[in-house]
Amino acid sequence: KQEVTQIPAALSVPEGENLVLNCSFTDSAIYNLQWFRQDPGKGLTSLLLIQSSQREQTSGRLNASLDKSSGRSTLYIAASQPGDSATYLCAVRVINAGNMLTFGGGTRLMVKP
Amino acid sequence: DAGVIQSPRHEVTEMGQEVTLRCKPISGHDYLFWYRQTMMRGLELLIYFNNNVPIDDSGMPEDRFSAKMPNASFSTLKIQPSEPRDSAVYFCASSTSNYGYTFGSGTRLTVV
Repeated sequence: KQEVTQIPAALSVPEGENLVLNCSFTDSAIYNLQWFRQDPGKGLTSLLLIQSSQREQTSGRLNASLDKSSGRSTLYIAASQPGDSATYLCAVRVINAGNMLTFGGGTRLMVKP
Repeated sequence: DAGVIQSPRHEVTEMGQEVTLRCKPISGHDYLFWYRQTMMRGLELLIYFNNNVPIDDSGMPEDRFSAKMPNASFSTLKIQPSEPRDSAVYFCASSTSNYGYTFGSGTRLTVV
């Protein structure tokens, strides 16, 4: 059974800092990996989708990498801003598991002005 | 596209009442998922459909929960009778086979 772990569970940084959020998964047979953002009391917003054949995806100040063989993904946020404060979730879609996503527990990020 | 649309946004009901949550997926998406989110358990997959057919309902907690997808543009999740422990945020999401998920804004259910 696929297990997805996110470290750290919570992170507090000063504005302007570059930071890295980590995601690890136990089964490397995946179709893709998706990073989401969730603001308090809101739904999940998709940030980046990395297909299994890709190594990274970029969107603005965000860069996500995927190392399928080692079961790891990182989300890099450059020049963090208070508006980046949210919970970040990674999720993997596993081959032989239909189209189901398995979610990590999330990293709660606070960027202080 | 307006995205995945869920209604109502908030629902407060008394224990024992029937609750129906609604979802309209993105047009052209052939997968639909119902998730529940609580502080204690995080995101839990309840059930998912492919081409309107339920594929895996192993996450449905009890017989009190049922879900239908009568056509490609509509799905319901029903709880009857509702209990206080059902209080949570319920999300609907849709996707295609080769792309990522798109989530709705969720329905916050409170059972008193």
